[in-house]
Amino acid sequence: LAKTTQPISMDSYEGQEVNITCSHNNIATNDYITWYQQFPSQGPRFIIQGYKTKVTNEVASLFIPADRKSSTLSLPRVSLSDTAVYYCLVGVHHSSGSARQLTFGSGTQLTVLP
Amino acid sequence: SQTIHQWPATLVQPVGSPLSLECTVEGTSNPNLYWYRQAAGRGLQLLFYSVGIGQISSEVPQNLSASRPQDRQFILSSKKLLLSDSGFYLCAWSEQDNQPQHFGDGTRLSIL
Repeated sequence: LAKTTQPISMDSYEGQEVNITCSHNNIATNDYITWYQQFPSQGPRFIIQGYKTKVTNEVASLFIPADRKSSTLSLPRVSLSDTAVYYCLVGVHHSSGSARQLTFGSGTQLTVLP
Repeated sequence: SQTIHQWPATLVQPVGSPLSLECTVEGTSNPNLYWYRQAAGRGLQLLFYSVGIGQISSEVPQNLSASRPQDRQFILSSKKLLLSDSGFYLCAWSEQDNQPQHFGDGTRLSIL
């Protein structure tokens, strides 16, 4: 199983770029990397997903090195409303065969300060 | 657009009582469905997943069971709740393998 490790917490100021790294040393060939944002008492919300290199969407970028043993979520110019817990998820689910357990990391509490 | 509904939002149950949490998805067909549990201040633990009607796989042994009686309905049940069953239960769906999961707003279950 691809165990993930993230920093427990991070602080940042409004307008700064924030990078959160997730380590997944035993990621398997078929595993994808997905990041989620969770506010208190709500379900996680999908941010971005990637397999290798770099992926960018309207809210974030995801950097994955060649060995894929880590990934970095980059949030450009954060605001107070970005204060939340961020999870990386590494795993794969094949409906055609036995599924691998989808392993959520412990999450990183990001606090954006004014 | 697709939506996912979970209910109830909160639930307080005595030890030994039964449980039924329901999750429904709208706007998609044959989704993969998932049940997770989140303990206070912890990450999410996958409990069950389903790739089709009547097809349930369990990820961890526990006091709970799941059923999928209809394509877009996923039910989490227990015959006799334990104190350790307390937590935040989340249902999620995805369109197909390796697609991102979309979560409901969860049910906070407290066992007394």
